[in-house]
Amino acid sequence: AQTVTQSQPEMSVQEAETVTLSCTYDTSESNYYLFWYKQPPSRQMILVIRQEAYKQQNATENRFSVNFQKAAKSFSLKISDSQLGDTAMYFCAFNFGNEKLTFGTGTRLTIIP
Amino acid sequence: GAVVSQHPSRVICKSGTSVKIECRSLDFQATTMFWYRQFPKQSLMLMATSNEGSKATYEQGVEKDKFLINHASLTLSTLTVTSAHPEDSSFYICSARVEQGKNQPQHFGDGTRLSIL
Repeated sequence: AQTVTQSQPEMSVQEAETVTLSCTYDTSESNYYLFWYKQPPSRQMILVIRQEAYKQQNATENRFSVNFQKAAKSFSLKISDSQLGDTAMYFCAFNFGNEKLTFGTGTRLTIIP
Repeated sequence: GAVVSQHPSRVICKSGTSVKIECRSLDFQATTMFWYRQFPKQSLMLMATSNEGSKATYEQGVEKDKFLINHASLTLSTLTVTSAHPEDSSFYICSARVEQGKNQPQHFGDGTRLSIL
C-alpha cells in the first residue's frame, strides 16, 4: 500500500522567517511524481511546486524549495522569507504509478505578523 | 492558463433533492477530470475519475448511483448528488490535467460547498 504522512498538523512562524514542512511516504514504485499544494482559507487548491523522483536536483520556485531524499522517502517543503499570504493548509501529494493523486493529511501553516 | 471553473460555489437545499455541480476546463481540453470530497479540516478524498466519452471510475466505497458523473465533452464534467441527505453535506472539488501523464499536475476548481438541510 502507498501511504503519505504529514506529521505536523499545525505550524506557525513569524513573518519573514523560514519554515520547513515535512512529508514522508511509502511506495514500492521506482518512478513517481511529487507535488506540494496550498489551500488558503478560500479553499482553492493551488500548485506550489513539483518534483520528479528520477531527478536528483531539488525543485525550486522563487521562495519555495523542496528537499527530496528518495532513499529516506522524504519530501519536505521549505518556505523562505515567509509572508502573510503563505497562511494556508499545505498538502503533499504523489502520483504513484497511476493517474491518481494520493494526498497527505495536511499541515496548517500560520504566518504571524 | 490551466483554469478550472466549478459551479456553483455554494448550494443549500432540502433533503431529498438532487444537486448538480459543474466542472469546466476553460482554456484547455481535459480527457480526464477528478472529483474529490473534503470534510472539515481533513484532506481530499478521491471519489471518482471522470473520463470523457466513457463511464467514470469510482473509488472503493463511493456509491455510483448516489454520485452520478457525466463527462460529455472535453471541457465539462458534472457531478450529480442524487436524493441528497444531510450526511452528503461536504466540500466537493474537481480537478483536471492539461495533458495526460503522471508527471502533470492537477489544476483544481474553487470547490462547491454543499449543505443539505
